[in-house]
Amino acid sequence: EVELVESGGDLVQPGGSLRLSCSTFGFTFRSFSMHWVRQAPGKGLEYVLGIDPNGQSTRYAESVRGRFTISRDNSKNSLYLQMSSLRVDDTAVYYCLKDCGDYGMDVWGQGTTVTVSS
Amino acid sequence: QTVVTQEPSLTVSPGGTVTLTCASSTGAVTSGYYPNWFQQKPGQAPRALIYNTGNKHSWTPARFSGSLLGGKAALTLSAVQPEDEAEYYCLLYYDGIRTFGGGTKLTVL
Repeated sequence: EVELVESGGDLVQPGGSLRLSCSTFGFTFRSFSMHWVRQAPGKGLEYVLGIDPNGQSTRYAESVRGRFTISRDNSKNSLYLQMSSLRVDDTAVYYCLKDCGDYGMDVWGQGTTVTVSS
Repeated sequence: QTVVTQEPSLTVSPGGTVTLTCASSTGAVTSGYYPNWFQQKPGQAPRALIYNTGNKHSWTPARFSGSLLGGKAALTLSAVQPEDEAEYYCLLYYDGIRTFGGGTKLTVL
């Protein structure tokens, strides 16, 4: 069974940094692109960014350009999101997603909560 | 910035049929936007339903179908069940950037 488990969410002050992790199980991680999507409290979904199997990132959402970086370690079956210069409006649940090919995304993690507040 | 628009809310009776749509501020939605659809119930992570316009995942109930309709992406639910009450999000691809719609809250009443 495919499973994605996010971790690293925390309370952080504006301007701070945080690194999220996504541990994956049940599939050949190195063969699939992966993505991060976030959801602010009471709001809709926002695509953040993604990465292909070779480590090339997709085009960034304007809201995170220059502040967020995605990476992966295929030897550890893990995905990461490095966030810096965090702002209050980055407060959200961050979800890790698996790509399924053919322009689809199939499996979601349960999410990890990032709160940016002073 | 590209905007993807969905109906804010819809209501359907159990056993009925409802179509949710997904429009793009750039014009007609075509297959080249590779529409995806997701379902989210309160307190849960979203779940994928449809990808690349009309392809279903292995867990997607047969009553859900995706298509293009009148220049928009569409998600049709037939023989609606009470458990289909949820928020539904579409996602479109724009030159490598993926953008979600604002979501449609579907009430089954």
